[in-house]
Amino acid sequence: QKEVEQNSGPLSVPEGAIASLNCTYSDRGSQSFFWYRQYSGKSPELIMSIYSNGDKEDGRFTAQLNKASQYVSLLIRDSQPSDSATYLCAVNLFSGGYNKLIFGAGTRLAVHP
Amino acid sequence: EAGVAQSPRYKIIEKRQSVAFWCNPISGHATLYWYQQILGQGPKLLIQFQNNGVVDDSQLPKDRFSAERLKGVDSTLKIQPAKLEDSAVYLCASTEGLSYGYTFGSGTRLTVV
Repeated sequence: QKEVEQNSGPLSVPEGAIASLNCTYSDRGSQSFFWYRQYSGKSPELIMSIYSNGDKEDGRFTAQLNKASQYVSLLIRDSQPSDSATYLCAVNLFSGGYNKLIFGAGTRLAVHP
Repeated sequence: EAGVAQSPRYKIIEKRQSVAFWCNPISGHATLYWYQQILGQGPKLLIQFQNNGVVDDSQLPKDRFSAERLKGVDSTLKIQPAKLEDSAVYLCASTEGLSYGYTFGSGTRLTVV
């Protein structure tokens, strides 16, 4: 079982719709979760972090965490063509006294006008 | 603040040749990571430094890859000899603490022919 799993997509949504991106993880001890956006040919950039069960909102983005189900999601409201990118879910693993981020393979989002 | 600097941006080499990548993290960031991102996949952690010491190199192919972090600041990643499957983007990231997330450099795109 992969440590962090995401659907590769592409997820295609019309402009103005809500895009829903999902991620599951295997390590029950994980406490920190991140969503990164990666445009083609660019490096990942952090857009959201979440540490507690429930929802966290930042502008058009909402991260949702359910530790019991080992599930993290990202909602993008009022999707814009500029949101078209690959979204990477990252989960912290604490091992050997140090933190490290493990990434999923990413979900490609395409927002069409 | 200045971001994570990486060089070169692109490198094309023949298989069995050697190559080195350089990274300068954000000033004050004690933790530095090298990730390998193969096209269509998420970043895979190769090695993690805390100051100038290695804390995790479990995924580093040590028969051909090596890395060092001089004086706890700059870092170099070397591949010798390169194989075709080493073609990827090599990303350097640094952080001052997990709660702040990681900041990635622009990456080095390596093509082995």
